[in-house]
Amino acid sequence: DVKVTQSSRYLVKRTGEKVFLECVQDMDHENMFWYRQDPGLGLRLIYFSYDVKMKEKGDIPEGYSVSREKKERFSLILESASTNQTSMYLCASTPGTEGSGANVLTFGAGSRLTVL
Amino acid sequence: GQNIDQPTEMTATEGAIVQINCTYQTSGFNGLFWYQQHAGEAPTFLSYNVLDGLEEKGRFSSFLSRSKGYSYLLLKELQMKDSASYLCAAVDSNYQLIWGAGTKLIIKP
Repeated sequence: DVKVTQSSRYLVKRTGEKVFLECVQDMDHENMFWYRQDPGLGLRLIYFSYDVKMKEKGDIPEGYSVSREKKERFSLILESASTNQTSMYLCASTPGTEGSGANVLTFGAGSRLTVL
Repeated sequence: GQNIDQPTEMTATEGAIVQINCTYQTSGFNGLFWYQQHAGEAPTFLSYNVLDGLEEKGRFSSFLSRSKGYSYLLLKELQMKDSASYLCAAVDSNYQLIWGAGTKLIIKP
């Protein structure tokens, strides 16, 4: 029944390391998203993708990049991790057409990243 | 600017009723979502309202007033498993989601 899988639930990295967060969905969804979730703040959109090899910046893209080489996989990359990137990272997907933000998001269980 | 407000934390008793409020200010409006998130788990969809009124789904109901920029989630016959965070998110004119910080609901026996 698992639909959105984030391969790493917990990671501890050092400042300056390159970090890859992987997300795979098995629902043939067009749209995939990366959010970060911090206490006292709403979910903040980092990047999203409406199609393979396509990416769009969200509200807080600085310090992050993404890759979508296959429809089912959307990777978040921290080129040089910093302590202020310590957070919970949530991947999500939706079916449907571009911009159709009224679609229901299916989330992964999250990847909790600690940067020391 | 765009903004969503919901209480940070609420406490209720098992078997009781609780109402979680959410107020929003967005550029345009294309509906409002409620998600439930248990600690350490993925948020899961509860409801989506785009028209005014109350929608009931079992023990959970969601209400929307577009003119007041206001929604609430009503949980009846509370169970211990309802202890979770409840996330409110409004859809703006560009079909982007604006998220509240979430309401942590604590259920006591």
